[in-house]
Amino acid sequence: NAGVTQTPKFQVLKTGQSMTLQCAQDMNHEYMSWYRQDPGMGLRLIHYSVGAGITDQGEVPNGYNVSRSTTEDFPLRLLSAAPSQTSVYFCASREQGGKNIQYFGAGTRLSVL
Amino acid sequence: SQKIEQNSEALNIQEGKTATLTCNYTNYSPAYLQWYRQDPGRGPVFLLLIRENEKEKRKERLKVTFDTTLKQSLFHITASQPADSATYLCAAISGGYNKLIFGAGTRLAVHP
Repeated sequence: NAGVTQTPKFQVLKTGQSMTLQCAQDMNHEYMSWYRQDPGMGLRLIHYSVGAGITDQGEVPNGYNVSRSTTEDFPLRLLSAAPSQTSVYFCASREQGGKNIQYFGAGTRLSVL
Repeated sequence: SQKIEQNSEALNIQEGKTATLTCNYTNYSPAYLQWYRQDPGRGPVFLLLIRENEKEKRKERLKVTFDTTLKQSLFHITASQPADSATYLCAAISGGYNKLIFGAGTRLAVHP
């Protein structure tokens, strides 16, 4: 099992560019989430999904879109990148119910110039 | 608003000593708390979960306590080793979907 796989690992964008961060999991988890991690702050929830076709906003959703067409994949789209979106992005998945234990990918480090 | 606070200063200890990290929560009463380990350039990895009706939980050299009166969880690593050096994150469940609120983490450095 690969677990949660994120691509790319690093990305540099110019202000206004768009891009998609990819996330895939092979654990057949229903729940998937996107977080961003900034220095001195905890992981903050951007968007989450409780199953294919179902997504909802988290704490900091502005400037990001998500979709969930399959159980395995949960891409995060930056519509028009801004310097404030410079961060490390983590995708996570978990089983339905249970103890809400999150399985994280290795992260994507994004810089917006 | 609901908050999780961890000591932002790095904790430096000598190998073999017990490391104790603190997690405080405010403005709510989570049903359980979780602790994760994060190494540089990696995603967090789950370590332990403790429920509000449990005073203490152990796993090998790790011990977690949950004090609902003090609104605090303590995370202990006994007989610490340099390989324990990492950032440790506390997280607590909040609201619908069982969302987790994470603290900013405390960096632990264990010196030989």
